[in-house]
Amino acid sequence: AQSVTQLDSQVPVFEEAPVELRCNYSSSVSVYLFWYVQYPNQGLQLLLKYLSGSTLVKGINGFEAEFNKSQTSFHLRKPSVHISDTAEYFCAVLGGGRRALTFGSGTRLQVQP
Amino acid sequence: ETGVTQSPTHLIKTRGQQVTLRCSSQSGHNTVSWYQQALGQGPQFIFQYYREEENGRGNFPPRFSGLQFPNYSSELNVNALELDDSALYLCASSLRSSTDTQYFGPGTRLTVL
Repeated sequence: AQSVTQLDSQVPVFEEAPVELRCNYSSSVSVYLFWYVQYPNQGLQLLLKYLSGSTLVKGINGFEAEFNKSQTSFHLRKPSVHISDTAEYFCAVLGGGRRALTFGSGTRLQVQP
Repeated sequence: ETGVTQSPTHLIKTRGQQVTLRCSSQSGHNTVSWYQQALGQGPQFIFQYYREEENGRGNFPPRFSGLQFPNYSSELNVNALELDDSALYLCASSLRSSTDTQYFGPGTRLTVL
């Protein structure tokens, strides 16, 4: 069975500071990894995905993530956040014969002026 | 290109009633997945449909059922509503592929009183 752990439920950060949102997964087979963002009262928007190839993946809005197979991690980073980045961020895994996404519990990023 | 749409946006029902939620896939997508997102949690997989057939199911009781139509739009039906069914219901469409990205609609907020 697959599982996703997002280690921080909330991350407060000041505007223009860097941020890292942590994600660890467990799976006995190869998986594909995703980060989605959810703004208040909205659905999920894809930020970035890792399917294969380069372990550093760049996404929209200046976000990037690094796949680390040995540590089974897929942490999300942004060098300088904006107020508009305030949202809930979800890490998800797909694979192992399942076509359904398994999500973590989410990390609320709160950007303060 | 048309994105994923869902209707209605909000819905209020009472315990024991039945509800139908609707989803239109993104243009060119033939697979629809439904997720339930309870308040403060990550989305949980309900089931997936591919070419009008159920293609996988999560840990939800049989009173959660679905349909996919020839135009790949979909319905989620929930019978005998319970208070715990109150949640955001998300629909996601994708192409038939183990690596294909799932694109989400804005969701339907269901409140059961």
